[in-house]
Amino acid sequence: DAKTTQPTSMDCAEGRAANLPCNHSTISGNEYVYWYRQIHSQGPQYIIHGLKNNETNEMASLIITEDRKSSTLILPHATLRDTAVYYCIVRVYGGATNKLIFGTGTLLAVQP
Amino acid sequence: DTEVTQTPKHLVMGMTNKKSLKCEQHMGHRAMYWYKQKAKKPPELMFVYSYEKLSINESVPSRFSPECPNSSLLNLHLHALQPEDSALYLCASSQDWGTGFVDEQFFGPGTRLTVL
Repeated sequence: DAKTTQPTSMDCAEGRAANLPCNHSTISGNEYVYWYRQIHSQGPQYIIHGLKNNETNEMASLIITEDRKSSTLILPHATLRDTAVYYCIVRVYGGATNKLIFGTGTLLAVQP
Repeated sequence: DTEVTQTPKHLVMGMTNKKSLKCEQHMGHRAMYWYKQKAKKPPELMFVYSYEKLSINESVPSRFSPECPNSSLLNLHLHALQPEDSALYLCASSQDWGTGFVDEQFFGPGTRLTVL
């Protein structure tokens, strides 16, 4: 699976959009981009995933660049409860394994 | 019910003790996972069970012994642990494993283990 690079930490004002970048320059054509988050002292929580098209669900939007070498997770109206570590993971689709290999993630601190 | 439950929430054990961690899900998922997470580090995969059979062991020491008695239940038996094994142990489940489709993993809240 390709490696990802994320900023160590970011701040965001409550009510504003939080844009979390992820670099995955070695991504292969059959690898999906996944985002999970982990709120302090809880288990990780799935947010969204995508292959090449932009995706949106009730939690967030995922924007993937045309060359697929980077992506951005957007939380449209961040709240204090969105303070968490956000993990960007790339995973092979249809592979023999369903492993999640977590990187170091981005600690998003939403400020009041 | 989209919940994965883990018991106990906290566990303190000595190096000579034997204890077990329990994980349960009632979503009909056929794949279950154990992860280990040290403080301020990301989770690391330990074991994967698919259809109640061990599919992956990530070179975990034998003092950790997983067991999947049925499709809803996953145990992690602990024996002769070391203080460096103190960590948050997370259980997860997903609909399936390795059948060529992408699905999310649902995580439990974890068991915080302290080895004295």
